[in-house]
Amino acid sequence: AQKVTQAQTEISVVEKEDVTLDCVYETRDTTYYLFWYKQPPSGELVFLIRRNSFDEQNEISGRYSWNFQKSTSSFNFTITASQVVDSAVYFCALSEPTDSWGKLQFGAGTQVVVTP
Amino acid sequence: DVKVTQSSRYLVKRTGEKVFLECVQDMDHENMFWYRQDPGLGLRLIYFSYDVKMKEKGDIPEGYSVSREKKERFSLILESASTNQTSMYLCASSLNWAIYEAFFGQGTRLTVV
Repeated sequence: AQKVTQAQTEISVVEKEDVTLDCVYETRDTTYYLFWYKQPPSGELVFLIRRNSFDEQNEISGRYSWNFQKSTSSFNFTITASQVVDSAVYFCALSEPTDSWGKLQFGAGTQVVVTP
Repeated sequence: DVKVTQSSRYLVKRTGEKVFLECVQDMDHENMFWYRQDPGLGLRLIYFSYDVKMKEKGDIPEGYSVSREKKERFSLILESASTNQTSMYLCASSLNWAIYEAFFGQGTRLTVV
């Protein structure tokens, strides 16, 4: 069963619009870690953020912000004032101890297309 | 900067061939991973290794094996390549278990004909 669901396959926006990527996860563990990665056209995944299950504070880094809500098992990602360089595939991932800490479970990814 | 290097960016192999995909990392990471990426399916874990000569199966190990003789190198082996193994293969490494971020290579696009 899919443990990380990214329901949006592709989102197209015009530059300067905001875009929010949804991520819903499933776990029975109380301790777990959530990640977001960016995969630009070059292909190499780039780490964006890690959040542990005990830290529900929202985080902002420049134009990026993350909203972690345990009550809804969601870890959403917003890009504010999008730019063409934000065009990429974005992956949400989950790491949990009962499934072996060694495994990162990825969602299917959301393709973001930003046009000028 | 951590560097994870995959030996080939593109490979074309024939059905039935034995294929080796090599991955090297330069940051002394204990954990190394092989993922397969297919459209609509995200990344699926094939195998991972948490130490030299240690390995664990991921979600889709069938048709694959791995080798880790040295800490910095993790090889993925397709014993007898088939067309359904045509895919993008991504290698990654991390410091200690997946609670730390993983660093990825640039990927190998394998086509089996």
